[in-house]
Parts: sequence; C-alpha cells; structure tokens
Amino acid sequence: GEDVEQSLFLSVREGDSSVINCTYTDSSSTYLYWYKQEPGAGLQLLTYIFSNMDMKQDQRLTVLLNKKDKHLSLRIADTQTGDSAIYFCADLLWGKLQFGAGTQVVVTP
Amino acid sequence: ETGVTQTPRHLVMGMTNKKSLKCEQHLGHNAMYWYKQSAKKPLELMFVYSLEERVENNSVPSRFSPECPNSSHLFLHLHTLQPEDSALYLCASSQVGGFRDGYTFGSGTRLTVV
Repeated sequence: GEDVEQSLFLSVREGDSSVINCTYTDSSSTYLYWYKQEPGAGLQLLTYIFSNMDMKQDQRLTVLLNKKDKHLSLRIADTQTGDSAIYFCADLLWGKLQFGAGTQVVVTP
Repeated sequence: ETGVTQTPRHLVMGMTNKKSLKCEQHLGHNAMYWYKQSAKKPLELMFVYSLEERVENNSVPSRFSPECPNSSHLFLHLHTLQPEDSALYLCASSQVGGFRDGYTFGSGTRLTVV
C-alpha cells in the first residue's frame, strides 16, 4: 500500500464542519502537515503538527493526531465555498516529505 | 518576485522534442525539489537537491534530467518523453532543517506530451 493514504473525495454543505482523514505507515514520522491546493495553483501549507502533540488548533482548523493508530485528521469549522480545494496530508520521514493522493473537498450551498 | 516561480505554466511537446522547465526561488532556501503530480495518485518525489548537490533520484527515467546551477534555480530537462509523462510538475524549496515551515511550492508546469 501507499505510505500516506487519504480518501479521494468529500462533499460538505456550506456552514458545516469538514473532517478529512489520513493514515500513514511509519511511526518514525516526526512532523505531519496539511496542504491545500486550489485550481491552477501549487500546494499551500495550512498547518503542521509535531509528533509529540495530540491536537493543534489554528482558527477554523483543528488537527488531531493519533500516533498509536497512525491517523491524522483535519477539521475545518464553518466550511465556506472558498475551502473547496484538494487537501494533501504529508509526513516528514528522514528529512523528506511524503504526500498522499489528496482529498478533493467540494462545498455545496 | 516572491516565493517559488515556475515557467512555463503550460507546455505541450511532441515525443521527439527537447524542452526545459525552470524553477526559481526567492526565499533564501538551500534545498529544492521536483515533484510529479498525476490525478488520484500521491505526489511523486523525483529529485532532491540539498546545498546544490543532488541527494536523491527516485528511479526516475533518464529522459528527465535535473540541473541545479545555484541554490536559487532548478531546471528539469526533458527529452523523448512518453504520453504517460503528461502531468503537473511541481517545484518546491525548503530550508534544510526548517521542518516547521515544510516546503514552499510553485504553481507548477502543466505538461502535455502528444
């Protein structure tokens, strides 16, 4: 299987919360990241979490890390149409970022 | 110019052509990367340059040839490509050891091989 796995698609209503999930395989990962890619653009860093943390909150974004299950999630509160994008999970392993395939989030009115 | 700039934004080339992709970073970083992005697949790391030395080549076909003349510039030279090489090619940069900042990406070059 892949080193970092994500579901490919998520549909959410405007104003609801979105939760994007990610699993990774290597417990040696030290930092984990969430990136956002809008159409025609590169990847933009949204947030990161260090592996000794369980949770990190940054305005509408909440990152949860379960090291035991190697599971990472990104919660977006009060999802807006501008949040429609592809979201990539990545882990830092041996100095290199490994990315998942991305989750396409579509926000409907 | 700020950030990471990639040119051209779009490129259509025949299988017998030779072309080059260019990446420039204005962030003072000392590591640069080429990634290939194909739909519904994980980003594929192609090449890593750290302190201007190539430190990784993930079994990329020889029809892709990188060049890093200095810490601010990175090229990807292309020749005799195949249709399956059509993808978005992303350049990124980082500061070695700057883990909290992750990588900074350019907007990519959309390559179509015909």
